[in-house]
Amino acid sequence: DSGVTQTPKHLITATGQRVTLRCSPRSGDLSVYWYQQSLDQGLQFLIHYYNGEERAKGNILERFSAQQFPDLHSELNLSSLELGDSALYFCASSARGPDTGELFFGEGSRLTVL
Amino acid sequence: DAKTTQPPSMDCAEGRAANLPCNHSTISGNEYVYWYRQIHSQGPQYIIHGLKNNETNEMASLIITEDRKSSTLILPHATLRDTAVYYCIVRVGVGSGNTGKLIFGQGTTLQVKP
Repeated sequence: DSGVTQTPKHLITATGQRVTLRCSPRSGDLSVYWYQQSLDQGLQFLIHYYNGEERAKGNILERFSAQQFPDLHSELNLSSLELGDSALYFCASSARGPDTGELFFGEGSRLTVL
Repeated sequence: DAKTTQPPSMDCAEGRAANLPCNHSTISGNEYVYWYRQIHSQGPQYIIHGLKNNETNEMASLIITEDRKSSTLILPHATLRDTAVYYCIVRVGVGSGNTGKLIFGQGTTLQVKP
């Protein structure tokens, strides 16, 4: 158990819909990272938040948005869903203090768009 | 961040050492080498990292060549539970203009066989 909690674990929805994925980082961790993993694309970095502020943006579509709240949990919002958005979405957090390069990943949210 | 090259797949007999190579010939002096693994759609798991010196922890050893252009991850006594995709990632440390995000490649699928 990494200490990172993601909900929901599974989600099935239809094209055109909107969903919200939630991530609670490990206690005390200020950074939250979101990744998308689809069969044909591998693990793709989406976005990084640090203590409520966006720090880096990767291959995140304009239909997707994220935020980190004052209690440090984060949400990834996916809208106007397409079949190709079906994927595993992982959240990770990293500890305060000296950088070790260790990200702690949650178990992921599996999104299926029908 | 420098690009890495890994073989797409490898086999290893249970109980033997698994040696996973990684080429990072364009690595810069301030870039670290990180290894993660992902067991069947679970969240990726940190294994080990290093800069110049060889490193060892309870999971594995990391051997970095003197010119730092390649490295090898060694699992000393592979078990069936070590079957996973192993990712070699090169990244500057946080604070060197990097946010801490990790960019994953395709990795090496290690199959440990009985």
